Amino acid sequence: DGGITQSPKYLFRKEGQNVTLSCEQNLNHDAMYWYRQDPGQGLRLIYYSQIVNDFQKGDIAEGYSVSREKKESFPLTVTSAQKNPTAFYLCASSWASATDTQYFGPGTRLTVL
Amino acid sequence: AQSVTQLGSHVSVSEGALVLLRCNYSSSVPPYLFWYVQYPNQGLQLLLKYTSAATLVKGINGFEAEFKKSETSFHLTKPSAHMSDAAEYFCAVSEPLRGNEKLTFGTGTRLTIIP
Repeated sequence: DGGITQSPKYLFRKEGQNVTLSCEQNLNHDAMYWYRQDPGQGLRLIYYSQIVNDFQKGDIAEGYSVSREKKESFPLTVTSAQKNPTAFYLCASSWASATDTQYFGPGTRLTVL
Repeated sequence: AQSVTQLGSHVSVSEGALVLLRCNYSSSVPPYLFWYVQYPNQGLQLLLKYTSAATLVKGINGFEAEFKKSETSFHLTKPSAHMSDAAEYFCAVSEPLRGNEKLTFGTGTRLTIIP
């Protein structure tokens, strides 16, 4: 089955810890995206990558980092610099750009204890 | 800059009644417009997409949306609501001609179906 997987589904973090969220796709898509979802705020773009070894900051990149070493993988690290990391994180991919349909993973819910 | 406004964060309709979810956009160039649906604790799924072809776009699950440039609107409708339509719906816009590769989402509308 083709699709996007995210792991883990639930993640708990202590304050001051870095955590990494996994996103893998087997759709052969070039572009990948990370969004943060908070109640009543919709989805906000954290980082995106249109090609391997290249990525751009989105609207709320502070306190986050990413890498794109392989076409199928786009992990997101939530660093201790992110002051309010509790949220639902969604990964997406598309063929080339945001004009193409984005396909979403099932999400990771991060809670800071 | 592109933006999307979804009027009504919560909408309730009776089963079998018309569903109307409102979306207005702001864009300095002809936009691409999308409607996505999200079920609880899941990712988003594309309902339909407007890319400057026909102004009336038909999507999955009986939904459709009409692009009205004069009103800068892209409202989502379904003639007869079903219990399975209960979910959160997001409108989104992108500006391909500006080379803007980002998709901007509205804040969402939660649809409740009353039996």
